[in-house]
Order: sequence, then structure tokens, then C-alpha cells
Amino acid sequence: EDKVVQSPLSLVVHEGDTVTLNCSYEVTNFRSLLWYKQEKKAPTFLFMLTSSGIEKKSGRLSSILDKKELFSILNITATQTGDSAVYLCALIDSNYQLIWGAGTKLIIKP
Amino acid sequence: DAGVTQSPTHLIKTRGQQVTLRCSPKSGHDTVSWYQQALGQGPQFIFQYYEEEERQRGNFPDRFSGHQFPNYSSELNVNALLLGDSALYLCASSLYAGKNQPQHFGDGTRLSIL
Repeated sequence: EDKVVQSPLSLVVHEGDTVTLNCSYEVTNFRSLLWYKQEKKAPTFLFMLTSSGIEKKSGRLSSILDKKELFSILNITATQTGDSAVYLCALIDSNYQLIWGAGTKLIIKP
Repeated sequence: DAGVTQSPTHLIKTRGQQVTLRCSPKSGHDTVSWYQQALGQGPQFIFQYYEEEERQRGNFPDRFSGHQFPNYSSELNVNALLLGDSALYLCASSLYAGKNQPQHFGDGTRLSIL
């Protein structure tokens, strides 16, 4: 069965720290890997990764996909309290369905 | 440019009742997908509508049904509600032609079953 596993499940750090969130998967064929940020309501799109080894970057956030080792990481540098959220990883499978991980709950303490 | 809108934002029902949730997709999108998200979990795919037809379905019982209207808006109906149906119901819209593209989510409807 296809599955996406995120780790850690939760993480508490202080403002200014750097965090690395992990997303590993067991999916036979997939088209893309997506990262979303979910605060109280709608997940908001962060990154879409299709090729291995190519880093995507947006401000303090960056992400990379490793198709050989079957994982992706999301890095956040110089964290701020506004980064507190649940970070979700999802794969678009061969049928264009999204397979979601359970998310990593990130808490940034001032 | 309006994003995805869902109504109502919160709803409280009792076991055995029926509920209808509504979604208007982002302007320009023609496909609507529905998800159930339990507390502390990732979203679970319920079904997807395009051209007023259910195109794909996740592992949900027939109590969950839907509809898409000519203006691309959609409804999710749940019959014979169970306590376990308590969750955040998310609607996401996209372009069918761009299936390998990120979906845009609404803020969800928080459904509580007493």
C-alpha cells in the first residue's frame, strides 16, 4: 500500500533556530511531491518537486527531493513565530490522486 | 480573484442526521475535490468532481455523496451521520487539464457530531 510518512510528528524550537522536516514515502510511481503549510484552516501551497536533487527555495524555506532514497526535506532557517503550523507532505500518484502524510506540527517559541 | 470558498464554517449535528456542505472553486478552476481531515491527521481523499460527474473516489462509504453544478460549485452530502464523521472537511479546486498541479484549498467546514 502506498504511504507517506512524516517525521517528526511534532517539534518545538526557539525563534531563530533552523529546522528540517522529513517526508519519506513508499509509492510505486508518483508524479510530484508537494509541501503545504496548514495553520488553523486551509493548507497553503509551498513547493512542488518533480525532479531529484533540485532545490526549490522561497525566502527562508527550501526543499529538495531524493528519489533514490525516497524522501524529501523541508528546511526553514531563522524561524519566526509565524512559522508555527502543521507542515503537510503529499504525493500526486500515477492516478493524479493525492496521498498525504499525517503532518509535522511545528511550534516556534519566542 | 476569489479563492476557494466553503460554507458553513462550522456545523453541529447529531448521530443519524444528514448534512450538506458547499464549495465554490477558485475562479477559472473546473475540478473540485473533497477531503476529510481528522484531528492530527493528514487529509483523506473522498472524491473528485469534473464536468458534473464523480471522476475518482477514495475509500469512503456510500453515505458520502456529492454533486457538481454547471457553475463548477460542488456539494458534499453525508447521510446517517456517525460520531466518527466529526472532522474538518476541505474542498480543493484545480484545473482538470492541469492534474499534475497543486490544488488550492478552502478554509474548510468543521463538522461536529454529538
